[in-house]
Amino acid sequence: NAGVTQTPKFQVLKTGQSMTLQCAQDMNHEYMSWYRQDPGMGLRLIHYSVGAGITDQGEVPNGYNVSRSTTEDFPLRLLSAAPSQTSVYFCASSYGQGHSYEQYFGPGTRLTVT
Amino acid sequence: GQQVMQIPQYQHVQEGEDFTTYCNSSTTLSNIQWYKQRPGGHPVFLIQLVKSGEVKKQKRLTFQFGEAKKNSSLHITATQTTDVGTYFCAGRPFGNNRLAFGKGNQVVVIP
Repeated sequence: NAGVTQTPKFQVLKTGQSMTLQCAQDMNHEYMSWYRQDPGMGLRLIHYSVGAGITDQGEVPNGYNVSRSTTEDFPLRLLSAAPSQTSVYFCASSYGQGHSYEQYFGPGTRLTVT
Repeated sequence: GQQVMQIPQYQHVQEGEDFTTYCNSSTTLSNIQWYKQRPGGHPVFLIQLVKSGEVKKQKRLTFQFGEAKKNSSLHITATQTTDVGTYFCAGRPFGNNRLAFGKGNQVVVIP
């Protein structure tokens, strides 16, 4: 199993550009989530999904959209990038009820918005 | 909202010494998880505690969940250079479906 994969690993965007961060898992996990990690801020939940077709907002959802059309994929879309979205983005998945089970994290995407 | 706080935020530890990192919540938690993130890496799950007063050990690591299920600790003995990294706790409050991460404890090991 590849586990949780994320692409790209690095990305530089100009303010106002849009892009999609890809996340896929091959463990048949129902629960997937996106976090951003900023220095001194820990991991903050952006959006999560408890299964295909179901998504919900986390702690810091503004400026991001998600969709979950399949169990395997959970892309994160930045509609109009802003410098405040410069961060490291981690996708995670877990079995069953998500927060009662261990989270498997992807390797991360380092995004810089200029 | 619910907060999970970790202290200290940074630690410098001499190789061979012991250290402890703490996690405190303002509300009762149904479970607590601990993760380790190596520099440049991604968080990796270490353990989950569910029961009040629970203690679990993994080699040199001892994890404890408080009696009131509002705090937790991670104690590492005989620190090695491989212990360098950031340790995160994450707790799920009762009645809440979200996992709240602490800001992490960044550990530097001095050879």
